[in-house]
Amino acid sequence: AQSVTQLGSHVSVSEGALVLLRCNYSSSVPPYLFWYVQYPNQGLQLLLKYTTGATLVKGINGFEAEFKKSETSFHLTKPSAHMSDAAEYFCAVSPTYSSASKIIFGSGTRLSIRP
Amino acid sequence: NAGVTQTPKFQVLKTGQSMTLQCAQDMNHEYMSWYRQDPGMGLRLIHYSVGAGITDQGEVPNGYNVSRSTTEDFPLRLLSAAPSQTSVYFCASRREGGAEAFFGQGTRLTVV
Repeated sequence: AQSVTQLGSHVSVSEGALVLLRCNYSSSVPPYLFWYVQYPNQGLQLLLKYTTGATLVKGINGFEAEFKKSETSFHLTKPSAHMSDAAEYFCAVSPTYSSASKIIFGSGTRLSIRP
Repeated sequence: NAGVTQTPKFQVLKTGQSMTLQCAQDMNHEYMSWYRQDPGMGLRLIHYSVGAGITDQGEVPNGYNVSRSTTEDFPLRLLSAAPSQTSVYFCASRREGGAEAFFGQGTRLTVV
């Protein structure tokens, strides 16, 4: 069975500070890993994904995440927060053997940016 | 390039009423899913489909029906709405062999 744990339901950082959103997963098979972002009253938008290859993945809006198999982690980072980054972020996992398998989502982390 | 389109965006129902949430995608994706989003619980899978004529249950299927008569459309039916079904509903599609899912803008449903 697969699962995703996002540490911290709410993270607040100052504008210009480092953003770090934590995600740990469990999977018995090699996973696809995702970060999605949801702005208020909108749908989910893919921020970045890990499928195979390079473990450091770059996404949109300056975000990146690193797949660490030994730690079963896929933490999301951004060097310098911007006010427009305020949103809810979801980590998700799916097995690689079949795209018909369901994507499992974490419970989400709401990111607030202080001026 | 419409992607995944959900209608309506907002809906208020009385307990016991029925309705259908519509979802259509124009990307020729084989796989489609319905999720509900509730505060602090992330997205939970209601039903999914791996192709026209094939559907299956997800984590929270009770109270919902689906059908998939075409590749493009995947409607979600609430047969007798209950206040516990107050939620935001998202439809998603995914291509065969692909990794990520593409989401609609959501339907905010309130059952009173």
